[in-house]
Amino acid sequence: GQQLNQSPQSMFIQEGEDVSMNCTSSSIFNTWLWYKQDPGEGPVLLIALYKAGELTSNGRLTAQFGITRKDSFLNISASIPSDVGIYFCAGQLQGGKLIFGQGTELSVKP
Amino acid sequence: NAGVTQTPKFRVLKTGQSMTLLCAQDMNHEYMYWYRQDPGMGLRLIHYSVGEGTTAKGEVPDGYNVSRLKKQNFLLGLESAAPSQTSVYFCASSYPRARRGAYNEQFFGPGTRLTVL
Repeated sequence: GQQLNQSPQSMFIQEGEDVSMNCTSSSIFNTWLWYKQDPGEGPVLLIALYKAGELTSNGRLTAQFGITRKDSFLNISASIPSDVGIYFCAGQLQGGKLIFGQGTELSVKP
Repeated sequence: NAGVTQTPKFRVLKTGQSMTLLCAQDMNHEYMYWYRQDPGMGLRLIHYSVGEGTTAKGEVPDGYNVSRLKKQNFLLGLESAAPSQTSVYFCASSYPRARRGAYNEQFFGPGTRLTVL
């Protein structure tokens, strides 16, 4: 079946540092998504990407849809303690179903 | 609006017991989904529904059954629980895909943490 490989699995950073994580797939997706899950909560959508090469920002977050449509990355600039959580990439299949990456767990030290 | 709610929040079962997880949404969404989340594996789709009275299998359907008798509710059943079903279960809902290239956001509930001993 289709799989998304997300890296790194975990990150421990200092407040104020920039963060980068990425997601790769053996399959092509037409839509890439980035979700964040706060501890004890369900995932919440951060950014949706629709076109190969597209670069989209949401505040301190920037995400790009790879040219090959098989990868995407997410950058967080000037991290703050509330950025703590698990970040998931997801690719959308026909019919709206999603395939999720394994997640990147982010810890921020004040 | 409450969004997507799930009951119960926590449950401990013994092997072989049965239970039903309830998901409710008040956003009038057509589509509803059940996922399980396990460490290091992300979220995996168990079953989904594209409308009242319809259900379909996802990536990991074995050992689970679902029903969508009302548009706002989606039930996930475990007939005979096994330790391998220890997980956190998330329900989500969304509008149908509007057009090519568009994404209708899936809204997630807070999750149900299930332990099977």
